Amino acid sequence: AQSVTQLGSHVSVSEGALVLLRCNYSSSVPPYLFWYVQYPNQGLQLLLKYTTGATLVKGINGFEAEFKKSETSFHLTKPSAHMSDAAEYFCAVSLSNNDMRFGAGTRLTVKP
Amino acid sequence: SAVISQKPSRDICQRGTSLTIQCQVDSQVTMMFWYRQQPGQSLTLIATANQGSEATYESGFVIDKFPISRPNLTFSTLTVSNMSPEDSSIYLCSVDLLAGDNEQFFGPGTRLTVL
Repeated sequence: AQSVTQLGSHVSVSEGALVLLRCNYSSSVPPYLFWYVQYPNQGLQLLLKYTTGATLVKGINGFEAEFKKSETSFHLTKPSAHMSDAAEYFCAVSLSNNDMRFGAGTRLTVKP
Repeated sequence: SAVISQKPSRDICQRGTSLTIQCQVDSQVTMMFWYRQQPGQSLTLIATANQGSEATYESGFVIDKFPISRPNLTFSTLTVSNMSPEDSSIYLCSVDLLAGDNEQFFGPGTRLTVL
């Protein structure tokens, strides 16, 4: 069965600084990978996803992630943090359409 | 994409009572899911609710505690029965549009507090 590990339950960056949220997965075959964002008191919104093809995936709000099979990683980055990026971020892995596993989440704080 | 609404958005309930949460989708979908997100935690799948079949529950969740209805392709309900404070969580529904990429679209969630 697949699983996902997010390193760092809480990440704090200054406004304008690089954002790096780490995600590693465990799967017997290459899975589909997702990053979701959850703003306070809201549901989950898809930031980006990797299914096949180009390993560098660009998403909304300036975020991108790179699928690295050799490292079983799918880290999320953004070159310059904005105050509005403060939220909870979840990495997820899926092998089939009825089985999506979520990481524990990383809370991003952006300092002015 | 899909637009999903949930009712109620939040509620405060007394222990021993039951609450039914509604999930409405703006298009017909086969696969719907119910998740629980306990305070400060990640999402845990409760059950998969496909129209035309009984809901499939994950380990640790039972139908008597979380009965689910799926009367048509745009609607589902989750009932949290005989509630205790440990049931205080956010409950989210989601759908898979079967576009081949396993992406799920989420509702805004129902924030439940049990006193």
